[in-house]
Amino acid sequence: DAGITQSPRYKITETGRQVTLMCHQTWSHSYMFWYRQDLGHGLRLIYYSAAADITDKGEVPDGYVVSRSKTENFPLTLESATRSQTSVYFCASVEGVGNSPLHFGNGTRLTVT
Amino acid sequence: GNSVTQMEGPVTLSEEAFLTINCTYTATGYPSLFWYVQYPGEGLQLLLKATKADDKGSNKGFEATYRKETTSFHLEKGSVQVSDSAVYFCALSVTGNQFYFGTGTSLTVIP
Repeated sequence: DAGITQSPRYKITETGRQVTLMCHQTWSHSYMFWYRQDLGHGLRLIYYSAAADITDKGEVPDGYVVSRSKTENFPLTLESATRSQTSVYFCASVEGVGNSPLHFGNGTRLTVT
Repeated sequence: GNSVTQMEGPVTLSEEAFLTINCTYTATGYPSLFWYVQYPGEGLQLLLKATKADDKGSNKGFEATYRKETTSFHLEKGSVQVSDSAVYFCALSVTGNQFYFGTGTSLTVIP
């Protein structure tokens, strides 16, 4: 199916563990983004990528690592999960030129215990 | 800089009531403007967009007009339904690869 897919949809992990959230898009969009959504904070940008092997920090990058070896994939890794990283994580993509809208995945709900 | 300010929620309306959710923006260039909707448990979906001044975006009975003189992009619907209950986000993009979102407005429509 065309679109943007996130996995897993739900994840429970323990403090200190490493966890990776996956994101895959089928449009070959150049730009990909990771946001977290928390009550009272709206959407906050964690990292973004302009192309394969090009990534940059967003508003709240601490504690997260990203990579983009292929255009279609943009995994987000929490190297040592903390309770403050309990959140809903959204991946998004856009071609990056003109006035196209951002396309979102359905999110991953992560709970750190 | 670039930013979006939208009205605080939550908003509760009765079915068939008129809806307005205010959105104002600050932009360094000529932004495209968007409204997104997020239904419970789902990601954000594009509801409508406008790309230049005086454009009106519309979809599913929702409308918003790009007002450059007041830097606004208010969302309206003439008669809301229970199925419109969701969180609504106003957003802008100037470059096409950076997006700025409002904090979201939660709407609940009661029968």
